[in-house]
Formats: sequence, C-alpha cells, structure tokens
Amino acid sequence: GQQLNQSPQSMFIQEGEDVSMNCTSSSIFNTWLWYKQDPGEGPVLLIALYKAGELTSNGRLTAQFGITRKDSFLNISASIPSDVGIYFCAGHPNYGGSQGNLIFGKGTKLSVKP
Amino acid sequence: DAGVTQSPTHLIKTRGQQVTLRCSPKSGHDTVSWYQQALGQGPQFIFQYYEEEERQRGNFPDRFSGHQFPNYSSELNVNALLLGDSALYLCASSLGANVLTFGAGSRLTVL
Repeated sequence: GQQLNQSPQSMFIQEGEDVSMNCTSSSIFNTWLWYKQDPGEGPVLLIALYKAGELTSNGRLTAQFGITRKDSFLNISASIPSDVGIYFCAGHPNYGGSQGNLIFGKGTKLSVKP
Repeated sequence: DAGVTQSPTHLIKTRGQQVTLRCSPKSGHDTVSWYQQALGQGPQFIFQYYEEEERQRGNFPDRFSGHQFPNYSSELNVNALLLGDSALYLCASSLGANVLTFGAGSRLTVL
C-alpha cells in the first residue's frame, strides 16, 4: 500500500536553530499536509499544500510541495522551546474523494538539546 | 466554540471484550473520520462517515464498525478486542471535503 517515509525520526534542537524535516512517498499525492501533535492532544494542522511546487509559510514555518508530487519538506526557522513536539506529514492519494483518508508519516520528534 | 470532543479519554478492556468510543464533531461540521494511532506511529485511517453512511474505509477488519447519528456525532465500535488494538483512537471532523480538525483522542488499553 501507499507509504510515507518521514525523516529524521527524531532531532534535538537548541533555541534559535533552524530545523528541517522531509517526507517522501512511493506514489503521487495531490495534497500534502503538515501537523504537530503535543502530548495528550490530537494533531493540529500547521500548513496545507495543494499544488506541485507550492511554497507556503505560516509564521516561522515554511513548507513545500515537491514538483514530482512525491515529496514535501517543512522548515522551522529560529526555533523556540514551544516548537518541541511530534511533527507529522500527511498526504491525500491522487484520486477523487475527501481528505478523510489521509496517509500519515511516522513522525519527527523534536526535543530540546540537554 | 467547542472543537471535536471524544469520550472516554482513557479506558481499559480485556481481550475478547467489545468497546464503543464516541465523538462529537466541531460545530458546523458534517463529516467524521476515525483514525488509530499506535504508540510511536502516525495515525492510520479507519473509516469516514457522511450523511450517516460509511463513505470510505481503510485497511481494518470488520471487527471495526461505526455509526453516525442525525446530529453528526459518531461512534466507533471494536469487537473481540485483541492486544494489538491498544492505541489512541482519534476522531476528526470536517465540513465535507475540507480540512480535518482532530480531537484529543481516546486511549484504549487492552490487557
């Protein structure tokens, strides 16, 4: 079945650093989404991408929809402590239907450097 | 404006039992999707309900069933529970095909 490979699995950040994570798929997606999940909460949408090549920002977050439609990346600039959490990419397969049947990556866990 | 609310927040069952989880969608939303999130994994799509009917289904066995009521709320039922059913069950609502809003989930532990 369709899978999303998300990397890195985990990373440590120091306040002020830039962070980058990406997601690749074995097949085409027509929508890419990036979510953040805090402990005890459900995923919260950060950025939605609907067009190949699209580059979208939300404050310090920037995400891009790859030209091949098989990848996406998320950058966080000048990280702050509240950026800690688990980030998921999610894609919608390239066929008709609603966004209900999203496919999620396994997540990138952001932690603070000790 | 309440978002997506789920109940119960935590529950413990034993193998072979049955469980019902409940979800109230965000005000104004008419579509409910259910996801299973195992520990350390991303959510996996179970099924979606619209107009009281199952519209799409993921790769889950028939032990997983659901229902949507006229007020758009929904239930997820799991029969003959297995240890591997232990997970966080997330409900997400939307207005038709638009962006999903997730609830905080119901944490199911099967012993």
